[in-house]
Amino acid sequence: AQSVTQLGSHVSVSEGALVLLRCNYSSSVPPYLFWYVQYPNQGLQLLLKYTSAATLVKGINGFEAEFKKSETSFHLTKPSAHMSDAAEYFCAVGGATNKLIFGTGTLLAVQP
Amino acid sequence: EPEVTQTPSHQVTQMGQEVILRCVPISNHLYFYWYRQILGQKVEFLVSFYNNEISEKSEIFDDQFSVERPDGSNFTLKIRSTKLEDSAMYFCASGVERSPNNEQFFGPGTRLTVL
Repeated sequence: AQSVTQLGSHVSVSEGALVLLRCNYSSSVPPYLFWYVQYPNQGLQLLLKYTSAATLVKGINGFEAEFKKSETSFHLTKPSAHMSDAAEYFCAVGGATNKLIFGTGTLLAVQP
Repeated sequence: EPEVTQTPSHQVTQMGQEVILRCVPISNHLYFYWYRQILGQKVEFLVSFYNNEISEKSEIFDDQFSVERPDGSNFTLKIRSTKLEDSAMYFCASGVERSPNNEQFFGPGTRLTVL
């Protein structure tokens, strides 16, 4: 079975501050891990994905995530938050079948 | 840039009524999916579709649900007799190759409200 847990349904940071969104996974098979972002009234957009090629994955808009098998984590980071980063972020796992299994999402607010 | 589109953006219906949610996947994609998100809960997989047949479905996808690709461009989700608990945001997704190592592209969603 596969699952993901996102710690913190709401995260607020100041503009220019570090963004850290947490995701822990559970998987009985080697996982494929994804971060998606959803801006208001838009669909889910892929930020980055881990498919076992490299543990540090760089995505769009300056985001990156590191796969840590020992911690079963795939946390999303960005060194400096921008106002345009305000959105909802979803971690997802796949690998056992064709489907994606999502976390509950983290709403990121960026304060000026 | 090609994108997945969904109509309507918001559908309100009475309990027991049939609804059809429509999706237009990206034109060269072969794999199609429906997910849903009940307010405040996780995005949940409903069904995947390939080569004109269901390839996988979740426990949620019972006999009240059906999917169809009627004309080679649209991909529809039908709920035969809606229940209050069907109220959710429904997302359509498509992919050019089999997941999970290939990206699924999501539409903006249809918010279904069952009264």
